[in-house]
Amino acid sequence: DAGITQSPRHKVTETGTPVTLRCHQTENHRYMYWYRQDPGHGLRLIHYSYGVKDTDKGEVSDGYSVSRSKTEDFLLTLESATSSQTSVYFCAISESRGHGNTIYFGEGSWLTVV
Amino acid sequence: GQQLNQSPQSMFIQEGEDVSMNCTSSSIFNTWLWYKQDPGEGPVLLIALYKAGELTSNGRLTAQFGITRKDSFLNISASIPSDVGIYFCAGQLGLGNEKLTFGTGTRLTIIP
Repeated sequence: DAGITQSPRHKVTETGTPVTLRCHQTENHRYMYWYRQDPGHGLRLIHYSYGVKDTDKGEVSDGYSVSRSKTEDFLLTLESATSSQTSVYFCAISESRGHGNTIYFGEGSWLTVV
Repeated sequence: GQQLNQSPQSMFIQEGEDVSMNCTSSSIFNTWLWYKQDPGEGPVLLIALYKAGELTSNGRLTAQFGITRKDSFLNISASIPSDVGIYFCAGQLGLGNEKLTFGTGTRLTIIP
């Protein structure tokens, strides 16, 4: 358990509405990530953060924005949700371990856009 | 983007059998990670590998970091029912690039 909490865990929303998912960590990790997981595609990186107010895009960033105003929280926002954004979203943190870094995942947020 | 080829995609085995799966990449990684995911949950880290040629065990699980840095292997010995799930490999370049690239997963099913 790397002290990661995602909220909400489950959400159903309508097309065109804004949605924000929150990732909260308790262990002061510098790197935080948002992934989405879809059948046939595995886990794909949406955005990541390497510090407060420092973020960068991943491979599937279109339609998503992120913010990190404090170390412990990394927010993922869908400005106008579409059905293609129905997915499971995982937050992750990177922890330094001896020779290298290891990434730990939260329990996921299930989002359905109808 | 970068792709990891993970095989096999699925395995159907009997309890007690050994399992082998692998990941290959077109480019090198400096870290290889193996995860297991159960339905409705997030991926859980099984083994982390940081050095080419490294062989690391975690109970009945053994993973190896390929000497070319382009592949990794996971073996499970004497499988038990709780081994059922999806196993993912992931590669990380590190050295300031901390993003993970994931394989598409191996679904392990144990036949009664």
